[in-house]
Amino acid sequence: GESVGLHLPTLSVQEGDNSIINCAYSNSASDYFIWYKQESGKGPQFIIDIRSNMDKRQGQRVTVLLNKTVKHLSLQIAATQPGDSAVYFCAENELEGGNNRLAFGKGNQVVVIP
Amino acid sequence: GAGVSQTPSNKVTEKGKYVELRCDPISGHTALYWYRQSLGQGPEFLIYFQGTGAADDSGLPNDRFFAVRPEGSVSTLKIQRTERGDSAVYLCASSWGGRSPLHFGNGTRLTVT
Repeated sequence: GESVGLHLPTLSVQEGDNSIINCAYSNSASDYFIWYKQESGKGPQFIIDIRSNMDKRQGQRVTVLLNKTVKHLSLQIAATQPGDSAVYFCAENELEGGNNRLAFGKGNQVVVIP
Repeated sequence: GAGVSQTPSNKVTEKGKYVELRCDPISGHTALYWYRQSLGQGPEFLIYFQGTGAADDSGLPNDRFFAVRPEGSVSTLKIQRTERGDSAVYLCASSWGGRSPLHFGNGTRLTVT
């Protein structure tokens, strides 16, 4: 199938190393953030989320860091595996006004080298 | 349990034709979303349902696009007089509502020739 990763920033990482994917957001009113993973031909898959009252949240092999001062979000993947090869999107959501729509960033492609 | 199901997975249609794309959300999810994704881009919001009503349809590009969710479960996205620029992957997602993660289906790849 078609790749969703054409013309995207690409991170190449050796299997077993740690990966860091960065995302800048523009809306200072955003207070809920989600990282998604998308493999070719599939829909985005939820990885981890974080609310603006936190600056760090950990999951299984993943950590999300939020820096509201500079409006920056990062996803760290520990001990990267071949199955982690995909396009990663950050998404932001405003809390006020009941607006539940997520706005997605452009995505970063991660290529794991065995 | 079953995830979000979208049918068909692929749809090829001629310019000017009418198409319907179907979404079966996760059972019990009250919120349902349609997004559109072009090659190399992130998903773009189209419309959001809370229950049966469209709570936010501000992402629909023009009046050729319409979506319904008559019983608060299955949703259909309808596109009239399709144009080649409508070619994209149409993604559906559902959630419990509020600040809860969206769960996406695998999308319908629409190609307008």
